[in-house]
Amino acid sequence: EPEVTQTPSHQVTQMGQEVILRCVPISNHLYFYWYRQILGQKVEFLVSFYNNEISEKSEIFDDQFSVERPDGSNFTLKIRSTKLEDSAMYFCASSAGTLIDTQYFGPGTRLTVL
Amino acid sequence: AQTVTQSQPEMSVQEAETVTLSCTYDTSENNYYLFWYKQPPSRQMILVIRQEAYKQQNATENRFSVNFQKAAKSFSLKISDSQLGDTAMYFCAFTRDDKIIFGKGTRLHILP
Repeated sequence: EPEVTQTPSHQVTQMGQEVILRCVPISNHLYFYWYRQILGQKVEFLVSFYNNEISEKSEIFDDQFSVERPDGSNFTLKIRSTKLEDSAMYFCASSAGTLIDTQYFGPGTRLTVL
Repeated sequence: AQTVTQSQPEMSVQEAETVTLSCTYDTSENNYYLFWYKQPPSRQMILVIRQEAYKQQNATENRFSVNFQKAAKSFSLKISDSQLGDTAMYFCAFTRDDKIIFGKGTRLHILP
């Protein structure tokens, strides 16, 4: 069964450093998403992406964040200058067809900012 | 505001028992989708069951079923014949437009 994959599974970085989290969505999906879950808290929407542009973003997704689909398979989330409060689990998701179709989640990347 | 409320932060039941997790949500939309996601200790998000708001029939998926009450904006999950592998965090969620809105979750322990 096709699945969303994410790399790395765990990333440790120093505050102020740039990180890139990578995702490979399900191959025939057209809509891509990033969510964040701070430890012990609920999952929060960050951004959605369709047709090579951002469709919607939350207030969390400030200028430090960017997303890109550099080729036909990868979908990346870049944090330009990490802060301690960026430490969280980051989930990529993808969906086929309509905007409100089922979103399938990847296994997540645990980001630790020291 | 669009919110999801899960009033049970934590629950424990014996293996093979039936357990119901409650969820209420608030939206002004008429067309949306509702989900229950399971998050085991590995922290992966696994879709358990989905319900389209325009369908009156409650969704079922093997041992998992929902009780969807649209007027009351209630969407509870029933797990029958619970198994040890059901131990996880369960998130109720609904989606509109481009995003999923999650509740804070219910931590479910299945006891041997």
